[in-house]
Amino acid sequence: GQSLEQPSEVTAVEGAIVQINCTYQTSGFYGLSWYQQHDGGAPTFLSYNALDGLEETGRFSSFLSRSDSYGYLLLQELQMKDSASYFCVKRDAGNMLTFGGGTRLMVKP
Amino acid sequence: DTAVSQTPKYLVTQMGNDKSIKCEQNLGHDTMYWYKQDSKKFLKIMFSYNNKELIINETVPNRFSPKSPDKAHLNLHINSLELGDSAVYFCASSGSGGAGETQYFGPGTRLLVL
Repeated sequence: GQSLEQPSEVTAVEGAIVQINCTYQTSGFYGLSWYQQHDGGAPTFLSYNALDGLEETGRFSSFLSRSDSYGYLLLQELQMKDSASYFCVKRDAGNMLTFGGGTRLMVKP
Repeated sequence: DTAVSQTPKYLVTQMGNDKSIKCEQNLGHDTMYWYKQDSKKFLKIMFSYNNKELIINETVPNRFSPKSPDKAHLNLHINSLELGDSAVYFCASSGSGGAGETQYFGPGTRLLVL
């Protein structure tokens, strides 16, 4: 089964802020990444949290709390082009990535 | 400039056939990967090669055989194709394969087995 859980779908309006949560049942991993994938496209890297806390990259921020087995991706000032699937990804030794099931974000006007 | 490229982009074939997918990266990376994404968008690693050596080999049927002629290329050969092999196959690469390295994905190969 999935060791990373995230909502399957989220809907928000343009200009809003949305948070996509990720909970996991694993330990001893190197960090948590987030990848974006548009329909028909390839996954592209958004952010990586090796340590607890917040990482900010422009409109996107990602957070990790190992003690709570929890992380999230925060998207601000949503744009229509942000409509995509977002994957929470666990990084292990050997740069092995384990993907969550993905959250489909739909941004509406 | 294409960083990670795959050919073909689309592949439609009959059950029982043998097919190959090719991947090339021009990023100078040491590590390359193959992933499978099913119809529910679940993405799972299949193989990882570092400098032409197999590092990760997940529970994949042995009908799937990766081959790395050099560190810029990682090909995937599939024997005796089955209906369940229909999926999108992504190649990816990263620098040295360390845990902090970003993986760069190719555009994917959409395989349909009839």
